[in-house]
Formats: sequence, C-alpha cells, structure tokens
Amino acid sequence: KAGVTQTPRYLIKTRGQQVTLSCSPISGHRSVSWYQQTPGQGLQFLFEYFSETQRNKGNFPGRFSGRQFSNSRSEMNVSTLELGDSALYLCASSLAPGGNTGELFFGEGSRLTVL
Amino acid sequence: DAKTTQPPSMDCAEGRAANLPCNHSTISGNEYVYWYRQIHSQGPQYIIHGLKNNETNEMASLIITEDRKSSTLILPHATLRDTAVYYCIAPNYNQGGKLIFGQGTELSVKP
Repeated sequence: KAGVTQTPRYLIKTRGQQVTLSCSPISGHRSVSWYQQTPGQGLQFLFEYFSETQRNKGNFPGRFSGRQFSNSRSEMNVSTLELGDSALYLCASSLAPGGNTGELFFGEGSRLTVL
Repeated sequence: DAKTTQPPSMDCAEGRAANLPCNHSTISGNEYVYWYRQIHSQGPQYIIHGLKNNETNEMASLIITEDRKSSTLILPHATLRDTAVYYCIAPNYNQGGKLIFGQGTELSVKP
C-alpha cells in the first residue's frame, strides 16, 4: 500500500512569506505527527493530530500551525518565514497516536529553504 | 525533553554484530522503548519496540535490562546499508505520549 506522501518535496521561499506543507497519511491511519529537522537541532517535534484534533504540541512559536482534515490528510503552515525555518519537515502517520502504537511511518519530507 | 541517552557515534565492522546501547533510567513502568533509524536524507524508519521482554524481528533484536533502565539494540550482521543514525525513544505518557527524538547514535559500518 502507498506510504506517507508529502508535498512539495522541495521549495524555496523568502523571509516574510508563508508556506503550507501537505501530508497524506497511509490509508487507514488517523494520526499524523510533524517534525522539523535541522543540522543543529536534530529532529524536533512540532505537533500531532488525531481525528482532526491537535493532541500534542511541541515548543514552537505560534507562526507554526497545523490542521487535519476529515480524511486524515494534514497540512502545516509557517507564517512570516525566518531564515532559521530552513529545514526538512517530516510527517509521520500511525493508526493511533504515536506513543500508543509504537510505529510511526515517515514520509520523505519537504525541504524548505528560506532566503 | 528526551528521556534517553545514547553515545553520539559508534563504528562496526561489516558482518559483525552492532550493539547500540541506550540509557533510559527514568522510564516509567508502562512506557515502551522504541528504536528508529534514519539513513541520510530519508525519513526515520521504525525498527523495533519493547516493554520489558526481549524482542526480535527481521531487522534487529532488542534486549531490555531487568530493571528497565537500559536497553541494547542488536543488528546481528551489520551491512554497509545499516550505516545510519539510530534513535532510542521512550515516550512520556504524562505528556501525551509524543515521541521525542534525541540526538541518536551515528553508526558507521565499515568494510
């Protein structure tokens, strides 16, 4: 079956712009988590959604937001982009919230470059 | 936030067993230990998880000490393709069970 699909794979934005990233989970998976990965900070948890509700949130400013739709697809948005937002954004899906099922399935990520 | 500590890097000869340690001394009785790995430029990949019994699957074995304060991931016959960063994670159920990745162990398998 198809894996986790993230779009776009690569994108370039300039400071001050906003960006929306999309994630389509594995069919049947209702939980979606988002992570930011940078060389300096590693993999950092952004938020987790389950059945359209935000279940967990990491320590990121309010410029980072997300949502989940009734078909479990998820989007995350970053407004007023800063240079430090350049990163690989990873989405992961699971049947139930990640900590309860043991297995997160990750997509290949969306690589954002902010100039 | 990570509740686990791992050595930053390790080397292993191809064909030999790779034993990756993880300390999770503050883990609670009902919290599982999960292992993931990330090959360069790819999303992390689930390997295995366990509670208190040793576990084995087609990828690896997980040995958890009786007091549950540490565990070891064993790749029985490491190959060059096993070169990756390996993450040991113990989700905090008091914080909703979110999976927090630490810095992991960078395993280099050498010919």
